Amino acid sequence: DGGITQSPKYLFRKEGQNVTLSCEQNLNHDAMYWYRQDPGQGLRLIYYSQIVNDFQKGDIAEGYSVSREKKESFPLTVTSAQKNPTAFYLCASSIWGIGSNQPQHFGDGTRLSIL
Amino acid sequence: AQSVSQHNHHVILSEAASLELGCNYSYGGTVNLFWYVQYPGQHLQLLLKYFSGDPLVKGIKGFEAEFIKSKFSFNLRKPSVQWSDTAEYFCAVNARGSGGGADGLTFGKGTHLIIQP
Repeated sequence: DGGITQSPKYLFRKEGQNVTLSCEQNLNHDAMYWYRQDPGQGLRLIYYSQIVNDFQKGDIAEGYSVSREKKESFPLTVTSAQKNPTAFYLCASSIWGIGSNQPQHFGDGTRLSIL
Repeated sequence: AQSVSQHNHHVILSEAASLELGCNYSYGGTVNLFWYVQYPGQHLQLLLKYFSGDPLVKGIKGFEAEFIKSKFSFNLRKPSVQWSDTAEYFCAVNARGSGGGADGLTFGKGTHLIIQP
């Protein structure tokens, strides 16, 4: 079955540590996204990538970094500069479409907590 | 930049009641509109979407939404809810940029819907 796989499902970070969240898709989608979900806040866009080797900052990119070396993969690194990293992180992908009208498909998410 | 406002953060209904969840967006240009649902323990799924054409769109599981351009609204409706509709519902929008591409969505804060049997 095609879909988006996020791993791990739960992740714990120590103070001052960088952690990387994995996102893999086998939908052959060009575009991929990372969102952060906080209770009562909805989802907020961290980074997105329309094509391999290119990515753009979203609304809350500070303290995060990404790479897009392969079409299938869009890992997110939560750096020590992110002061409030505890959240639920969702990865999504979509077909690249003119006018941005393609729906996004979401993974099951990674819950990150601080030790 | 666009923004999305969902009127109710928590809604509690009895089975067979009618549902309407409000969603308003703020953006001066043309937008694409979506409703996503997140059932307990599951990933976000697309309920329905509007890009153009008939402003009344039908989605999965008996849901529909009406785009009213003059009111900047895209309210979600269902005539008769079921216990299995208990979930978090998110309205989302992205602006249709002139350059095209796949920009990220702007989400509302979500509405937690609880259906009592």
